[in-house]
Amino acid sequence: KNQVEQSPQSLIILEGKNCTLQCNYTVSPFSNLRWYKQDTGRGPVSLTIMTFSENTKSNGRYTATLDADTKQSSLHITASQLSDSASYICVVSGGSQGNLIFGKGTKLSVKP
Amino acid sequence: DAGVIQSPRHEVTEMGQEVTLRCKPISGHNSLFWYRQTMMRGLELLIYFNNNVPIDDSGMPEDRFSAKMPNASFSTLKIQPSEPRDSAVYFCASSSFRNTEAFFGQGTRLTVV
Repeated sequence: KNQVEQSPQSLIILEGKNCTLQCNYTVSPFSNLRWYKQDTGRGPVSLTIMTFSENTKSNGRYTATLDADTKQSSLHITASQLSDSASYICVVSGGSQGNLIFGKGTKLSVKP
Repeated sequence: DAGVIQSPRHEVTEMGQEVTLRCKPISGHNSLFWYRQTMMRGLELLIYFNNNVPIDDSGMPEDRFSAKMPNASFSTLKIQPSEPRDSAVYFCASSSFRNTEAFFGQGTRLTVV
């Protein structure tokens, strides 16, 4: 079954600290993997998209990694800011229908 | 471009009533998606249109749900009759092609009492 699992479910960190969010998937065949940021009350916004051949991609203080062999991805946030408080959703595109399969997200809270 | 526009932003309705959610995708995008988000289940794809044609509606929960896309700039998601378990945030998203970045609207928060 095509699934995307994210951990942790929630995370609280202090402003300025780094953190890493995890995403494991069992989607096959694999097309691409995306990380979205969803602020409370708003729609998800794309942070990164990676294909099979890419193993790292950065977007400012956000760095995503992809290990297609182990089917794992991580999102690393450097020097966190209060505005990073949001849900981060891992989405894998693939499967026989080429569908988007969503993880349930990690809710990050950055405290001053 | 103003992005994907959804209306209304909030909807409160009584059980049994018909609810219609509206979406205007980004101009020039060929693919349109309707999603439902709840705390328990996260984001779920309900239906996907390509060039105004429904391609995959396997996520539509039951016959009470229907979606249309009469033209490239407008889509509706209708629930008739609505039930309390339909309460969720409904998102519309559009993309240039199915496998490219999807841009989401602000969502419609539906509460059925």
